[in-house]
Amino acid sequence: DTGVTQSPTHLIKTRGQQVTLRCSPISGHKSVSWYQQVLGQGPQFIFQYYEKEERGRGNFPDRFSARQFPNYSSELNVNALLLGDSALYLCASSPEGDRNNSPLHFGNGTRLTVT
Amino acid sequence: AQSVTQLDSQVPVFEEAPVELRCNYSSSVSVYLFWYVQYPNQGLQLLLKYLSGSTLVKSINGFEAEFNKSQTSFHLRKPSVHISDTAEYFCAVTNSGGYQKVTFGTGTKLQVIP
Repeated sequence: DTGVTQSPTHLIKTRGQQVTLRCSPISGHKSVSWYQQVLGQGPQFIFQYYEKEERGRGNFPDRFSARQFPNYSSELNVNALLLGDSALYLCASSPEGDRNNSPLHFGNGTRLTVT
Repeated sequence: AQSVTQLDSQVPVFEEAPVELRCNYSSSVSVYLFWYVQYPNQGLQLLLKYLSGSTLVKSINGFEAEFNKSQTSFHLRKPSVHISDTAEYFCAVTNSGGYQKVTFGTGTKLQVIP
């Protein structure tokens, strides 16, 4: 059974550029969430999508956006990159997005470095 | 709003010794509690969870955690650690209602010394 897959694994961008990160959930999982993990800290919630609709958004600026496709895969977009956006971006899926007792299944993340 | 506090950023312990990783949470509503483990260059993996019922929950690899509502704690313990337990451990909480937003602590790095 394939786990959550994320691409690319590593990415280097310049300040002001835009980036798109991709995530494929576990087969059958309908909810995808995105987290940002800055070095030395715990993951911070960015978005949750369930059945292609945004269900929740964390305390991130509008430069961050996401979407979920009919096959439940997801993209995270970040515009006008800042140095502080350098982090590990984690995607997590769960079977149902309306039951908070479902554990999250994480991918290995995309390491974004902004120079 | 909910929050998680992991006071110990690093915990060194000798192999086969017991260990306790501390976690305290804050929330105004009912919560679900989790411990996740992160190995280098990998994502997080669920270690164990408390949803309801028995306050003592156990993982398949010997870890256990006890939910203490009065002390708002969910400490993780293992009676005898192995080298392979070296990793970073995150305590996490989510509300029982609303959307699925999980709040994580800052993590505790467990270093098992041979």
